[in-house]
Amino acid sequence: GAVVSQHPSWVICKSGTSVKIECRSLDFQATTMFWYRQFPKQSLMLMATSNEGSKATYEQGVEKDKFLINHASLTLSTLTVTSAHPEDSSFYICSGVGTGYRVNYGYTFGSGTRLTVV
Amino acid sequence: KQEVTQIPAALSVPEGENLVLNCSFTDSAIYNLQWFRQDPGKGLTSLLLIQSSQREQTSGRLNASLDKSSGRSTLYIAASQPGDSATYLCAVPDGGGGNKLTFGTGTQLKVEL
Repeated sequence: GAVVSQHPSWVICKSGTSVKIECRSLDFQATTMFWYRQFPKQSLMLMATSNEGSKATYEQGVEKDKFLINHASLTLSTLTVTSAHPEDSSFYICSGVGTGYRVNYGYTFGSGTRLTVV
Repeated sequence: KQEVTQIPAALSVPEGENLVLNCSFTDSAIYNLQWFRQDPGKGLTSLLLIQSSQREQTSGRLNASLDKSSGRSTLYIAASQPGDSATYLCAVPDGGGGNKLTFGTGTQLKVEL
């Protein structure tokens, strides 16, 4: 089945630094990648949607200059948290979907990245 | 705007019980409905995908049903085991033809020995 590999699984960084999270679709071409944020005991909150080769679409209230998304190829999308602050500490999850997958196969999620900013 | 609700929010049962998790959605114009499992600190694992033309899907001890007209889906877990303890989420793609998923509020399940 479709697999999305997400790295790192956890990261601790100092306040003010930037962190990059990668998501790779291993056996399918992810034409669209979704990035979510999840707070403890809450459901997933969609941050942005990225389509391969074009700019990401951000949800209302999400700072596009803080959360940089790149989807330069059909198998790789990255989320960079720039100038991270403690309030950015959260669990970030990506989800990929390929052409035709939305209807026929559903969505595949990465294993998540626990970001802690100290 | 699609709204997805799951009942109950939390459930604790003894091992071996059969149980039902409920998911309701307000906009019945859906392509499919997907059930996921999330373990603490982990990503989402897809359990079952039900197409809009289907009424149910089965995988092992799991059975999911879909009633579009009433805006409901149920996930039935037979002979529950401690390893089934997790949060279960249902999700539907948005009705506008886009790719966004709307998630339910989740049911936190604990199966005790």
